[in-house]
Amino acid sequence: SYVLTQPPSVSVAPGKTARITCGGDNVGSKSVHWYQQKPGQAPVLVIYYDTDRPSGIPERFSGSNSGNTATLTVSRVEAGDEADYYCQVWDSSSDHYVFGTGTKVTVL
Amino acid sequence: EVQLVESGGGLVKPGGSLRLSCAASGFTFSGYSMNWVRQAPGKGLEWVSSISSSSSYIYYADSVKGRFTISRDNAKNSLYLQMNSLRAEDMALYYCARVDLTGGAFDIWGQGTLVTVSS
Repeated sequence: SYVLTQPPSVSVAPGKTARITCGGDNVGSKSVHWYQQKPGQAPVLVIYYDTDRPSGIPERFSGSNSGNTATLTVSRVEAGDEADYYCQVWDSSSDHYVFGTGTKVTVL
Repeated sequence: EVQLVESGGGLVKPGGSLRLSCAASGFTFSGYSMNWVRQAPGKGLEWVSSISSSSSYIYYADSVKGRFTISRDNAKNSLYLQMNSLRAEDMALYYCARVDLTGGAFDIWGQGTLVTVSS
């Protein structure tokens, strides 16, 4: 089955840039979506189809996807960005949706 | 307001059954595919099952195939998950989530309903 691997944790100082990777076999050929989940809350879609932002999501959130790695970039990090982040794809070979292992972002 | 509200969670013994419901409002429910996603305590997100808008296409994660059944009633704007032969590892917060119209991203999520499996 298809696997998406994320680093367990990323730490970043306020005002700096956080980059969260999502690794998978030829993930660049798939559409990657990203979710933010704060403690005690449901996930929220922050990036869809690799690079698009839903309405209401700050421009500080951006995405890219190429080769075997997709990346969520959070610029000018704020304390409110502290959360777990998950990537997700549709794996057409198995007809399964797949979530990444998740990354906890800590704002120092 | 676009909203999904789950219900039906609770405490069940191993081997028991439970039926979850998800009530949709604020959008044309019959036009969207829907999913169940679960999250065990302290763990990550796990996709459980998906159903297309007209119930023509249904998919399950390997971990629940043969034990769980997804269904929907478009007339009642409702999504369901029948869970049988429950195991300790099924204990989780179960979310229903709407799939966007192009079929990839989960753009609306409910707040979840908790399923506890314990003797």
